[in-house]
Amino acid sequence: AQSVTQLDSQVPVFEEAPVELRCNYSSSVSVYLFWYVQYPNQGLQLLLKYLSGSTLVESINGFEAEFNKSQTSFHLRKPSVHISDTAEYFCAVKGSGNTGKLIFGQGTTLQVKP
Amino acid sequence: DAGITQSPRHKVTETGTPVTLRCHQTENHRYMYWYRQDPGHGLRLIHYSYGVKDTDKGEVSDGYSVSRSKTEDFLLTLESATSSQTSVYFCAISDPTGWNTEAFFGQGTRLTVV
Repeated sequence: AQSVTQLDSQVPVFEEAPVELRCNYSSSVSVYLFWYVQYPNQGLQLLLKYLSGSTLVESINGFEAEFNKSQTSFHLRKPSVHISDTAEYFCAVKGSGNTGKLIFGQGTTLQVKP
Repeated sequence: DAGITQSPRHKVTETGTPVTLRCHQTENHRYMYWYRQDPGHGLRLIHYSYGVKDTDKGEVSDGYSVSRSKTEDFLLTLESATSSQTSVYFCAISDPTGWNTEAFFGQGTRLTVV
């Protein structure tokens, strides 16, 4: 069965410091991976996705994630965080079949401190 | 933002009462989903629909039913609400054809069962 594990439930970090949010997945089929962000009292927004091709994917606001097949990981990184990056981040893998179902990790709360 | 509207946004109900949550989309996407979000669990799929009157169960479907009589509307019903169904419910839509695997999420409905 497919599954996603986010290794940290909370990550506190100071503003302008680098951050890494860890995600490991388990899947026996072709892997499509996603990172979603949820700001307080809002829905989820797609941050970035890996479908195929280059293993390093980037978002428009400075986040990047690297697909590592051998380590079954898709960690999210940002070299310098801002207060506005404070949010909950979810890693997800596309479920089997072509139904668009997503299997989510438990979520990681990024707390950026001034 | 994708055209997804959830109603109501907040609801408090008593144990044993029926509750219906509504999701309305203006994107004409074929697939619609209901997820629940709980601390420590991320988002878990309740039910999904792949067309008018075509629905299927997700991983946490017990105690829930759904209906889709029109492409744009997907209803989630709790036949007899229980305290364990206190959660935040998210509707999502997608059109998972080819490389387009992205899901778009509504703003969520916070349901409290007392």
